[in-house]
Amino acid sequence: TQLLEQSPQFLSIQEGENLTVYCNSSSVFSSLQWYRQEPGEGPVLLVTVVTGGEVKKLKRLTFQFGDARKDSSLHITAAQPGDTGLYLCAASTSGTYKYIFGTGTRLKVLA
Amino acid sequence: NAGVTQTPKFQVLKTGQSMTLQCAQDMNHEYMSWYRQDPGMGLRLIHYSVGAGITDQGEVPNGYNVSRSTTEDFPLRLLSAAPSQTSVYFCASSYQGAGNTEAFFGQGTRLTVV
Repeated sequence: TQLLEQSPQFLSIQEGENLTVYCNSSSVFSSLQWYRQEPGEGPVLLVTVVTGGEVKKLKRLTFQFGDARKDSSLHITAAQPGDTGLYLCAASTSGTYKYIFGTGTRLKVLA
Repeated sequence: NAGVTQTPKFQVLKTGQSMTLQCAQDMNHEYMSWYRQDPGMGLRLIHYSVGAGITDQGEVPNGYNVSRSTTEDFPLRLLSAAPSQTSVYFCASSYQGAGNTEAFFGQGTRLTVV
């Protein structure tokens, strides 16, 4: 059972546009992470959010953890071709060591 | 600094064959895990380990076995390969199993079962 649903599944945009990717669940998480994966490579961590309502910024990327700690969003401002990749959210529930990943959003930014 | 090393990178098996996917990490991480990645499914947890001698099942454990005799190594065994096991397999390690520590991934093993 996949507990983390991401939307959209695919996204193709022009360079300079803004976009938002969502990660949703019915479960409450103790923390949530976002990873980016490039072809032929394993995922690489972008950010970790742990507090409900938390907002973190990484250059043009803004990450938000929902107040109820059930969802998260990733907003990219002025997307660049280098942002192209598969974006994955990941989370664990309190008291477990199971670390699960979302279904992924494949982003393509066209020059 | 090698990080997480997976071997082989590519493998083709015939239905019914068995094989072991190797994973080694040199960061002295306690937590290691195996995922499979299929189109549109993200990463699905197969098995994980919170330390040497301790393993547990993830979301999709059927058809796979693991063991953890050392902190460094966490091999994944396919007992009798099936076409449904065609996938890309990733091994990951982290300092703790909690979600607020970074997971480091290997480069993956692309497995095709014919």
